[in-house]
Amino acid sequence: DVKVTQSSRYLVKRTGEKVFLECVQDMDHENMFWYRQDPGLGLRLIYFSYDVKMKEKGDIPEGYSVSREKKERFSLILESASTNQTSMYLCASSGDRGLEKLFFGSGTQLSVL
Amino acid sequence: GQNIDQPTEMTATEGAIVQINCTYQTSGFNGLFWYQQHAGEAPTFLSYNVLDGLEEKGRFSSFLSRSKGYSYLLLKELQMKDSASYLCAVMTTDSWGKLQFGAGTQVVVTP
Repeated sequence: DVKVTQSSRYLVKRTGEKVFLECVQDMDHENMFWYRQDPGLGLRLIYFSYDVKMKEKGDIPEGYSVSREKKERFSLILESASTNQTSMYLCASSGDRGLEKLFFGSGTQLSVL
Repeated sequence: GQNIDQPTEMTATEGAIVQINCTYQTSGFNGLFWYQQHAGEAPTFLSYNVLDGLEEKGRFSSFLSRSKGYSYLLLKELQMKDSASYLCAVMTTDSWGKLQFGAGTQVVVTP
């Protein structure tokens, strides 16, 4: 079975802190994604990557950056955390371009105080 | 962009049938996915439709009408464990590999 692992289940950070959310997948998938999930808004795409060292902005990239130095790892970075970034963050991966279903990690619930 | 609409919440009793509708407005449609998400857990894949018609998978079926921009997920013989959020997601030809999600439908199954 595909496994997508997110390093933290819960995180509490202070406003202005730099925050790293880590995601690792074990199925040699080319594509990796970061979504945030908020009540009533559903999942919104922040950034995605089709290959190592490659990244593209999703629908809501402001305030975030990403890093993909290795194929299996995709990191989401909040340069200076703000309270409106309190959310559930979900990492996902899929194989090959095109019509592939996403496999999700269990999520990181981030609270910014 | 895409506009994906689904009801916020539905309630049904154990053993019954529930139909969750999803409507979408998009250009370059390239498939529709349904995911199930239990509280505090990761979304898991349920079904994928790209052609018109009904896809059946055990107690769950998914239907698509491309001309109407409409899909539904049918859950039969409801069980308590089916209480979850059901997410409709669309892939378009200009968003290769990416999915746009609706807000999700919370299904509550009562005894």
